[in-house]
Amino acid sequence: NAGVTQTPKFRILKIGQSMTLQCAQDMNHNYMYWYRQDPGMGLKLIYYSVGAGITDKGEVPNGYNVSRSTTEDFPLRLELAAPSQTSVYFCASSYSTGVGQPQHFGDGTRLSIL
Amino acid sequence: ILNVEQSPQSLHVQEGDSTNFTCSFPSSNFYALHWYRWETAKSPEALFVMTLNGDEKKKGRISATLNTKEGYSYLYIKGSQPEDSATYLCAQYSGGSNYKLTFGKGTLLTVNP
Repeated sequence: NAGVTQTPKFRILKIGQSMTLQCAQDMNHNYMYWYRQDPGMGLKLIYYSVGAGITDKGEVPNGYNVSRSTTEDFPLRLELAAPSQTSVYFCASSYSTGVGQPQHFGDGTRLSIL
Repeated sequence: ILNVEQSPQSLHVQEGDSTNFTCSFPSSNFYALHWYRWETAKSPEALFVMTLNGDEKKKGRISATLNTKEGYSYLYIKGSQPEDSATYLCAQYSGGSNYKLTFGKGTLLTVNP
């Protein structure tokens, strides 16, 4: 199994550009999450989804959008890139809620906005 | 404690040393405590999910304990090896409708050969 796959691994964007970070999992997990990791900070939840067609905001959703049309895919969209969105982005999935099931993470996308 | 806090922030030990570090979390609305191991340039990897007060989990040389009444968890590494060098993250799940894990900032462990 590939687990959680994120693409691209690295990207440089200009201010105002848009892009989509891709995330796919092959574990048939219902729950999927997007986090960002900033230096010296813990992982912050951007958006999450509890199943196909259902998404909701996390702690830091401003400037991002998501969709979940299939169980496998959970893309993250940046519409108007800003320098504050320079970060490392991690996608994760889990079989159920955090009570008993760990989250499985992708390898991350390092994004720089210049 | 309002947030998940980890200490120390970083730790250097010699190969063969045993070490431990702490995760402190709000004891109210506790559902679960997760530990993850995060090597540089890789993705976080789950070590343990702990739910009950007094829980003890073990995986090889790594073990963890949980005290939900006082709001802390310890992670122990016995006989540290250079390959144990990583950032160790803890995260609390407090239930509710947002399915949110609150992560600490991590403890960076460096094991010198």
